[in-house]
Amino acid sequence: DIQMTQSPSSLSASVGDRVTITCRASHTISNYLNWYQQKPGKAPKLLIYSASSLQSGVPSRFSGSGSGTDFTLTISDLQPEDFATYYCQQSYSTLALTFGGGTKVEIK
Amino acid sequence: QVQLQESGPGLVKPSQTLSLTCTVSGGSISSGGHYWTWIRQHPGKGLEWIGYIHFSGSSYYNPSLNSRVSISLDTSKNEFSLRLSSVTAADTAVYYCARAWSRTSSFDYWGQGTLVAVSS
Repeated sequence: DIQMTQSPSSLSASVGDRVTITCRASHTISNYLNWYQQKPGKAPKLLIYSASSLQSGVPSRFSGSGSGTDFTLTISDLQPEDFATYYCQQSYSTLALTFGGGTKVEIK
Repeated sequence: QVQLQESGPGLVKPSQTLSLTCTVSGGSISSGGHYWTWIRQHPGKGLEWIGYIHFSGSSYYNPSLNSRVSISLDTSKNEFSLRLSSVTAADTAVYYCARAWSRTSSFDYWGQGTLVAVSS
């Protein structure tokens, strides 16, 4: 299986901050990398697909970059509704799709 | 707007079979070539892909669960189902159904999730 490692596992930030979350794959996955946001008690919501494409309806303050093994999710101008847990997911190895362990973004 | 809704027992006894159904509305499960997916989340933990099925009937499962899992389609009811056999407490989780455009795409629509506890 391809292991997905996110860092940090949690972070504290203030409204208006720029936040960066990193996801590293144990093997190259080209750009088959997706990002999700999950709030407590809710299903995950797709934010970014194919490493850098913004899902319809998602605010433009969310952006993704990277290719190969290293990927980044950036939230510019953090808003109160952005406090949540974020997961990356690889869709390259289709016989064993895997998610990162998650990054919890908390209010400072 | 596509909507997915999980249903099934919230409590299953150890060694029995967990059965859940996902009802799809706002679109047909037999069109578009989508992959209909089950994902679970252990309490307070991350996400685990269980498997998915294509409208053609082709199915793919997580190797760690492969011997115990089965996903099927009922196109007449526009729903798909999960069966997980020989459950233990380690199978206690929130189970989500979701949709993917292809085997290499993201999951763009999700159900709200249903908690299944395994306990005697």
